[in-house]
Amino acid sequence: GESVGLHLPTLSVQEGDNSIINCAYSNSASDYFIWYKQESGKGPQFIIDIRSNMDKRQGQRVTVLLNKTVKHLSLQIAATQPGDSAVYFCAETFMTTDSWGKLQFGAGTQVVVTP
Amino acid sequence: GAVVSQHPSRVICKSGTSVKIECRSLDFQATTMFWYRQFPKQSLMLMATSNEGSKATYEQGVEKDKFLINHASLTLSTLTVTSAHPEDSSFYICSASSPTSAEQYFGPGTRLTVT
Repeated sequence: GESVGLHLPTLSVQEGDNSIINCAYSNSASDYFIWYKQESGKGPQFIIDIRSNMDKRQGQRVTVLLNKTVKHLSLQIAATQPGDSAVYFCAETFMTTDSWGKLQFGAGTQVVVTP
Repeated sequence: GAVVSQHPSRVICKSGTSVKIECRSLDFQATTMFWYRQFPKQSLMLMATSNEGSKATYEQGVEKDKFLINHASLTLSTLTVTSAHPEDSSFYICSASSPTSAEQYFGPGTRLTVT
């Protein structure tokens, strides 16, 4: 994922608009990707995942796109709501011979939904 | 998804004392548990990986004698911060996974403040 920084990038979105959160990952061997949502003072919550043999996956109001050529992942949130305000992290991992490797987290993006 | 709990949710301790944080998987057997540390506005930093019944694997730069991890059963892992100092103040988050899944289920986190 992206290197850890001291300042979270912030995406300000008007309520009802669509949000797009981007993530550049670093390991070309990664074959499983997850988006997590973290609200203030809480642990990360699973949103959606995608395997490397797919380039798009849809959930409820969320879509994840994977571009392995440029090692880029995005999360699209449709009709953003105030409850979507949180920090969003992408995470990557890969399968070893008999188990999954540890998750590598991106730096995160703070999404602020304005009325 | 699976439920992981942490106790306590918040703890304040004096410098030099030790603090134990518990992580429990409530509805599945977690062969592997992970401990993360998170500073404000930053991403999750993996501290160590613990497999039930064996010694934890610590990430580079994490002192194993300071952060004692015990994973004595398939549902419980503990992190003990020994001789805590103010710089150990942070948000500690655990997660649990099973061998067949790359997904990690996160606990709600523990806010440690060392005075």
